[in-house]
Amino acid sequence: GENVEQHPSTLSVQEGDSAVIKCTYSDSASNYFPWYKQELGKRPQLIIDIRSNVGEKKDQRIAVTLNKTAKHFSLHITETQPEDSAVYFCAANQGGKLIFGQGTELSVKP
Amino acid sequence: GAGVSQSPSNKVTEKGKDVELRCDPISGHTALYWYRQSLGQGLEFLIYFQGNSAPDKSGLPSDRFSAERTGGSVSTLTIQRTQQEDSAVYLCASSIQGASGNQPQHFGDGTRLSIL
Repeated sequence: GENVEQHPSTLSVQEGDSAVIKCTYSDSASNYFPWYKQELGKRPQLIIDIRSNVGEKKDQRIAVTLNKTAKHFSLHITETQPEDSAVYFCAANQGGKLIFGQGTELSVKP
Repeated sequence: GAGVSQSPSNKVTEKGKDVELRCDPISGHTALYWYRQSLGQGLEFLIYFQGNSAPDKSGLPSDRFSAERTGGSVSTLTIQRTQQEDSAVYLCASSIQGASGNQPQHFGDGTRLSIL
């Protein structure tokens, strides 16, 4: 079955710096890769997703890249702000469901 | 419109009791998913329903766990003879039809289950 590995588990950056979170997946049939942001005690919220027919997608300060050959995808956050502090989860689809990475706790220091 | 609604938001019960958790998906969403999130952990897939197809139960951790979806809308996750390791946040999500799981899933606020 699908296995999704996510790194790093924790990430601390200064406000204004960039943050990069990386994930790898194992199932070559996966074709949908969403990213969720979860603030403490809140529901996971979809922030961006990418499908396997594109290599990059941007939405303001957030971008996601996908390398199908290497089976990895990354989340890039530029000009980080304190409100970006949260846990971020990547996921890949398999057989109708999502398999999630273990999460990255991002701290943005003012 | 309304998002995914889950109830109760919190549930505390004694070990050995049965519990029922409810999920009301976004109107028009044919796919419904249950996940479990233990403290500080990722989301663990439990079960999903897609339209009238047989549910994918491959993530249920034991036969104490079951779920049903009546009328293609509301779903109930039942845990029988609860154990302390069942303590977690149970999250429900829904999406428009997508047999391969390639549609955005929208989550509810979850039910925080505590087994004493």
